[in-house]
Amino acid sequence: NAGVTQTPKFQVLKTGQSMTLQCAQDMNHNSMYWYRQDPGMGLRLIYYSASEGTTDKGEVPNGYNVSRLNKREFSLRLESAAPSQTSVYFCASSERWGASLGETQYFGPGTRLLVL
Amino acid sequence: GENVEQHPSTLSVQEGDSAVIKCTYSDSASNYFPWYKQELGKRPQLIIDIRSNVGEKKDQRIAVTLNKTAKHFSLHITETQPEDSAVYFCAASIRDTGRRALTFGSGTRLQVQP
Repeated sequence: NAGVTQTPKFQVLKTGQSMTLQCAQDMNHNSMYWYRQDPGMGLRLIYYSASEGTTDKGEVPNGYNVSRLNKREFSLRLESAAPSQTSVYFCASSERWGASLGETQYFGPGTRLLVL
Repeated sequence: GENVEQHPSTLSVQEGDSAVIKCTYSDSASNYFPWYKQELGKRPQLIIDIRSNVGEKKDQRIAVTLNKTAKHFSLHITETQPEDSAVYFCAASIRDTGRRALTFGSGTRLQVQP
């Protein structure tokens, strides 16, 4: 049981290049999330998928797109990378949607992205 | 203003002392408050959480208190050990433009000096 996995672990891009960050979970969770973590700013929600087949914008969605490929996988795409997207990206999952219900989120190991 | 404010940003204590980290939140309807610990280069991991119908919760050396009237909650670590050194994040379930989602504080770097 690997929990939440992410690929790649580290990536360097040039401005304008595109890439997709992959996330998968094997806990049969319904909800999945993408966060970015910047120094001094905590974790900010980019997009989430409350259940298979649905996606919604979070706090900082501009410049990103997502795909909930199936129940296990949730990918994050940068169509035209910018230096401001240099960050550490974390994927997370929870059994159900419901921050108000107290659904524990489990995080992946992160992807460190550098955009030059 | 920020939805979740966290203080202090850094905290240094001697081994065996207590550490307290405080957070305030803006949404009076928030009802779930988790705390995550993130060691250097690792993923955030949940260490304790509290719901709005409870004022305090303890788990060994860790406790969280919640004051809904004042809209603040705190993490208390007693008998600190070097392995407690990490960045700690508070979070609250905040309703922004859409569904209620977890909003994180900016983090507190705790250093426990041996």
